[in-house]
Amino acid sequence: AQKVTQAQTEISVVEKEDVTLDCVYETRDTTYYLFWYKQPPSGELVFLIRRNSFDEQNEISGRYSWNFQKSTSSFNFTITASQVVDSAVYFCALSEIKAAGNKLTFGGGTRVLVKP
Amino acid sequence: GAVVSQHPSRVICKSGTSVKIECRSLDFQATTMFWYRQFPKQSLMLMATSNEGSKATYEQGVEKDKFLINHASLTLSTLTVTSAHPEDSSFYICSAREAGLYSYEQYFGPGTRLTVT
Repeated sequence: AQKVTQAQTEISVVEKEDVTLDCVYETRDTTYYLFWYKQPPSGELVFLIRRNSFDEQNEISGRYSWNFQKSTSSFNFTITASQVVDSAVYFCALSEIKAAGNKLTFGGGTRVLVKP
Repeated sequence: GAVVSQHPSRVICKSGTSVKIECRSLDFQATTMFWYRQFPKQSLMLMATSNEGSKATYEQGVEKDKFLINHASLTLSTLTVTSAHPEDSSFYICSAREAGLYSYEQYFGPGTRLTVT
């Protein structure tokens, strides 16, 4: 069975601070995808990144960066120089890869509150 | 591209009535659609997977007779909550997977907030 654990339920920071969100996953599959989504107060999920299990390269996109370490089954997400607009719930998710339909397993989410 | 809509965005219904939620892929064909439920301050839980033209596959613990799913076309899936009760009040989110063997991306709808009084 697949499992995604986000140990931090809530993080509060002051604007311009960096914040790192932890994500640890469990799967028996050798091929899978990992995702991060942002859910602002409006509720709509915003896709941030998808990472293939074969690609362990770290990625940077603007103020966002991701650290994928297969050896520790972790896919951590860092927001650099946080802004108030970053306040949201962030979900890490794991997807099996099957032609019939790829189920997403979500972590519990981490609520980030950025104070001005 | 890859837009998924849901209708309605909010619905309030009385206990015992049924409510239908539509999920549409607007600019692509979706062979598979997923329905999730999210209670306040909780994560998304997969309820069921629907494939166009076949019966939906429900996750363990989800009552198939209560949550009727129909995926009659490549662009539309519906979730009907039958005989709704206050405990069914939740945020329902659908996602759609584009047709194609190597398509793994799921595109999410904006969600439907259901309140049962």
